[in-house]
Amino acid sequence: NAGVTQTPKFQVLKTGQSMTLQCAQDMNHEYMSWYRQDPGMGLRLIHYSVGAGITDQGEVPNGYNVSRSTTEDFPLRLLSAAPSQTSVYFCASSSEVGTQYFGPGTRLLVL
Amino acid sequence: GENVEQHPSTLSVQEGDSAVIKCTYSDSASNYFPWYKQELGKGPQLIIDIRSNVGEKKDQRIAVTLNKTAKHFSLHITETQPEDSAVYFCAPGMNTGFQKLVFGTGTRLLVSP
Repeated sequence: NAGVTQTPKFQVLKTGQSMTLQCAQDMNHEYMSWYRQDPGMGLRLIHYSVGAGITDQGEVPNGYNVSRSTTEDFPLRLLSAAPSQTSVYFCASSSEVGTQYFGPGTRLLVL
Repeated sequence: GENVEQHPSTLSVQEGDSAVIKCTYSDSASNYFPWYKQELGKGPQLIIDIRSNVGEKKDQRIAVTLNKTAKHFSLHITETQPEDSAVYFCAPGMNTGFQKLVFGTGTRLLVSP
């Protein structure tokens, strides 16, 4: 199993551009989530999903959209990037009562 | 919401020494207490967790202790090795379905040979 995979690894955007961060898992986990990690602030939950077709907001959802059309994929969309969205983004998946497995992360720089 | 504090923010020890990291939380409803290890350039990885009906759990050189009355739990690493050098995060939360975790700000552990 590949576990949780994320693409791209690095991305540079200009303010106002849009992009989608991809996340996929091959463990048949029901739950998937997106976090951002900023220096000195730990990880903060952006959005999460408890199953295909079901998503909900986390602690810092503004400026991000998500959808979950399949169990395997959970993309994160930035519709109009802002410098405040410069961060490292982690996707995670888990089973109903299990460990959260994190992907390797996407480093995003918004100029 | 949950307020999580983690201490110390950095910890330097000699190989073979013990290391202790403490996490305090505010939400008395929290019932799931994990510790994650994050190596440079990688995502966090769960190393040990404990649920609120247990006071202590041990896995080889790693242990977690929980004091629900005082609302804090601690990570203990014995016989530290250079490969233990990493950033450690506590993330207390509710273990009901999706684990909605609130991460601490992290402790950078450096183990010198």
